[in-house]
Amino acid sequence: EAQVTQNPRYLITVTGKKLTVTCSQNMNHEYMSWYRQDPGLGLRQIYYSMNVEVTDKGDVPEGYKVSRKEKRNFPLILESPSPNQTSLYFCASREGLLSYEQYFGPGTRLTVT
Amino acid sequence: AQTVTQSQPEMSVQEAETVTLSCTYDTSESDYYLFWYKQPPSRQMILVIRQEAYKQQNATENRFSVNFQKAAKSFSLKISDSQLGDAAMYFCAYWYTGTASKLTFGTGTRLQVTL
Repeated sequence: EAQVTQNPRYLITVTGKKLTVTCSQNMNHEYMSWYRQDPGLGLRQIYYSMNVEVTDKGDVPEGYKVSRKEKRNFPLILESPSPNQTSLYFCASREGLLSYEQYFGPGTRLTVT
Repeated sequence: AQTVTQSQPEMSVQEAETVTLSCTYDTSESDYYLFWYKQPPSRQMILVIRQEAYKQQNATENRFSVNFQKAAKSFSLKISDSQLGDAAMYFCAYWYTGTASKLTFGTGTRLQVTL
């Protein structure tokens, strides 16, 4: 089954404690991205990757890091989380830059206290 | 920069009735895609309907249809014969192959379906 998986689904952590949210897709997609969803703001893109070792900032990259060492994986790293990063995070993938069909992961609810 | 505006934070509809959710967008491009996504309480993002800007005909998917007005930059979603399972957050989104190929989302409309 074609899917995007994220782990963990829920996470409560404390300020400053480094964490990683994993994202994996099994469709051999080139394009992957991370979004955060906040009430009243919709979804906003954090980072994206057009292929292995090619990543770039989205609209709200501050406080986040990503890496793309393998085509299937695109982890989101918060090196020093702060309460304003409490949010719902989605990973998404597409076949390529010109593909409109986007596959979303199930979301990760992160709370930073 | 492209923007997507949903001016109705919340809407309510009675079961079996019809409701229309509004969306406007701003772009200088002529070739793009517009989407409506549904997000139920499970938080999963579900694609409801897609419209290619070069197509004049409005997209339809079963009980869901859109009214696409390209000149007015308007893209509303009509849900007919509303069902309890339609209760969700609905997001309008814009996509263009430029600008890093990202989806630009509106702020969402929460739809409540009552008996």
